[in-house]
Amino acid sequence: QKEVEQNSGPLSVPEGAIASLNCTYSDRGSQSFFWYRQYSGKSPELIMFIYSNGDKEDGRFTAQLNKASQYVSLLIRDSQPSDSATYLCAVTSGTYKYIFGTGTRLKVLA
Amino acid sequence: DGGITQSPKYLFRKEGQNVTLSCEQNLNHDAMYWYRQDPGQGLRLIYYSQIVNDFQKGDIAEGYSVSREKKESFPLTVTSAQKNPTAFYLCASTPTGLAGELFFGEGSRLTVL
Repeated sequence: QKEVEQNSGPLSVPEGAIASLNCTYSDRGSQSFFWYRQYSGKSPELIMFIYSNGDKEDGRFTAQLNKASQYVSLLIRDSQPSDSATYLCAVTSGTYKYIFGTGTRLKVLA
Repeated sequence: DGGITQSPKYLFRKEGQNVTLSCEQNLNHDAMYWYRQDPGQGLRLIYYSQIVNDFQKGDIAEGYSVSREKKESFPLTVTSAQKNPTAFYLCASTPTGLAGELFFGEGSRLTVL
């Protein structure tokens, strides 16, 4: 069974701080990696995707991928109360199958 | 506006009844998916379809059935054989073969009374 592991949290950070969210995966063949944000009662929305080792930055968000360690992370700079949500890590297994972690709940304290 | 429409948003069912959740997309995507989410849990794959008239079981297919007669539509039936069907159900789609972003509908919340 291919797995994606996340710390469920909650991860609490003060407003303006950097939030660091982590994810490990078991399938060495995974090619695509995604971070989704999900507010309570809503559907997930894409924050970042990354395909290659290294860092990818988009505004306040940075995704980091290390395929050798089977590790992907999301950094949120200048965290805002509106960033408070559950963050889901997803990886592909083959071309069509997407496996999700259980999510990390982030709380940004004003 | 392109997107995925799920209906109904909320559904109540008595034990022993089958219910069908609708999922329609106008994104011209070939691949469609159904996920189930329980409180505090991630998304678990029920069924997915790569192309019309073809679909595969996911990790938790027991008690569910699907059809894919049209590219735009991928309805999910929750049968009476599903022992614990109360959950949030999410439909998603993606273009074929790119392993790109999954686009999600707004979800359907099913409650068994």
